Amino acid sequence: SSVLTQPPSVSVAPGKTARITCGGNNIGRKSVHWYQQRPGQAPVLVIYYDSARPSGIPERFSGSNSGNTATLTISRVEAGDEADYYCQVWDSSSDHYVFGTGTKVTVI
Amino acid sequence: QVQLVESGGGVVQPGRSLRLSCAASGFTFSRYGMHWVRQAPGKGLEWVAVILDVGSYKYYADSVKGRFTISRDNSKKTLNLQMNSLRAEDTAVYYCARISEGSGSYLDYWGQGTLVIVSS
Repeated sequence: SSVLTQPPSVSVAPGKTARITCGGNNIGRKSVHWYQQRPGQAPVLVIYYDSARPSGIPERFSGSNSGNTATLTISRVEAGDEADYYCQVWDSSSDHYVFGTGTKVTVI
Repeated sequence: QVQLVESGGGVVQPGRSLRLSCAASGFTFSRYGMHWVRQAPGKGLEWVAVILDVGSYKYYADSVKGRFTISRDNSKKTLNLQMNSLRAEDTAVYYCARISEGSGSYLDYWGQGTLVIVSS
C-alpha cells in the first residue's frame, strides 16, 4: 500500500508561511486530505480533496497536490497553529486508509 | 452536532481481549461508514479498520487483521472494536471517526479517543 513521507518538523515565525509536504509515488493521482492535531486533542480535518476547506477552517489553510508531492500551506501563521499535521489518502487498490508520518509545526 | 464518544479502554494483559465502543449522535448513524484509528504514545496516526454503513464490508490494517473485529449496531448507534490476542504494540489511544460522504476517502469527524494499555 501507499507510503506517505512528511518532514518530522517545520519551524516558522508568527506571521510567516509554513509549508508541509507529503511525498508519495504518484500522489498527484490521489485525493489528499490533511488533519491538524493539537497536543492532547483529537485530529481535526483541515483540508480535503487536496485543497477544499471544511466549514470553520480559516482561509489561511490551503492545499495543493501534483506529481509526487502534496503540500499543506499555512499563511500568516499564528501561535494557535502549533500542532502536528498529517496527510492521508485512500488506497483504492487495497481499500486501506494511509496516514503520513506526521509533521510537528513549531511557531518560534 | 456530530458527537462520537469512545469507551472501553483500560489496562489489559498481553494475550487477553478488550472491547471498545463508540457512541454516535447528531447524525443518521446508519447512513455512514465508520473507522477506528489508533495512536501509540508519542507516535503518529495508524488506521485500524473501517466498516461501511450496512456493515457488510469491513477492511482491516495488516497489523490487526485476524485479531481485531469491527462491528456496528445501527439500532443503538454504536460502533465496536473487539480486540483479541492483544500485544504490547497495540498500546495506543483508539479513536473512532466518521467516514466522509461521497467518495468516503477521508474522515470528517473524530471522537476524543480511549486509551488502551497492554501490559503485564
